[in-house]
Amino acid sequence: NAGVTQTPKFRILKIGQSMTLQCTQDMNHNYMYWYRQDPGMGLKLIYYSVGAGITDKGEVPNGYNVSRSTTEDFPLRLELAAPSQTSVYFCASTSGPTYGYTFGSGTRLTVV
Amino acid sequence: AQSVTQLGSHVSVSEGALVLLRCNYSSSVPPYLFWYVQYPNQGLQLLLKYTTGATLVKGINGFEAEFKKSETSFHLTKPSAHMSDAAEYFCAVSEMDSSYKLIFGSGTRLLVRP
Repeated sequence: NAGVTQTPKFRILKIGQSMTLQCTQDMNHNYMYWYRQDPGMGLKLIYYSVGAGITDKGEVPNGYNVSRSTTEDFPLRLELAAPSQTSVYFCASTSGPTYGYTFGSGTRLTVV
Repeated sequence: AQSVTQLGSHVSVSEGALVLLRCNYSSSVPPYLFWYVQYPNQGLQLLLKYTTGATLVKGINGFEAEFKKSETSFHLTKPSAHMSDAAEYFCAVSEMDSSYKLIFGSGTRLLVRP
C-alpha cells in the first residue's frame, strides 16, 4: 500500500529544458491534484483531475501541462523550464473530501 | 471561491505552553476544513479534519481544533507544546464543487523554545 508516489525526489534543470514529474496512486482515487509550494506562500494549485481523461487548470497553470490517461497516473509536464518554476511540487489524491487527501513526498526542482 | 487566512506566519512558544494557531476561512456553504503539518524537508501529514458532526475535532499528537461557524474559524490548539511540534502548519478548506480542490492558507511556522 504505497499511497501517492512521486518521482523524482530531486532534479536540477537548465533553463529551457523540459521534464515530466511522475505521480502514481494505488488507492483508486478519482481526484488528483498538483500543487507547488514556495516559501511563505502556502501551496498553490497547478492542475487537477476529477477522473481519467478529465483535467482542468488550477490557480497557477502557466508553463505546465498534465494528462490523465489512467486512474492511477497523473504526470505533470514542464515545457521550457524557467527559474520561476524552481519550487517543491506535491501531488495529492482523494476519493472525496470526507476521507481526506493523501499527499506524495514531493519533488524539489531547481531551474538554473 | 473560498479562501483561507492564517494569522501569524511565525508563532513561538515555550515548551509546555499552550499552542494556538489561527485559521479563518471564507465560504458560502458549510466547509470541509483540514489542518496539515509539514516537518522540514518532508511532505504534508494530516493532523485532523472537520467534515460534519461534532465541531470539536481531535487529531494526532494531541492537537485539536474547533469549527466555529459564527466566527468562520478553525483554530488549532494543543495544551502543552513539545519540542517535536516544531514544524509548519497549514490550514486548508475544500472547495464544495465537483473539483473538491483543496485551498491552503499561507502556513504558520511553529517554533518551540526549550
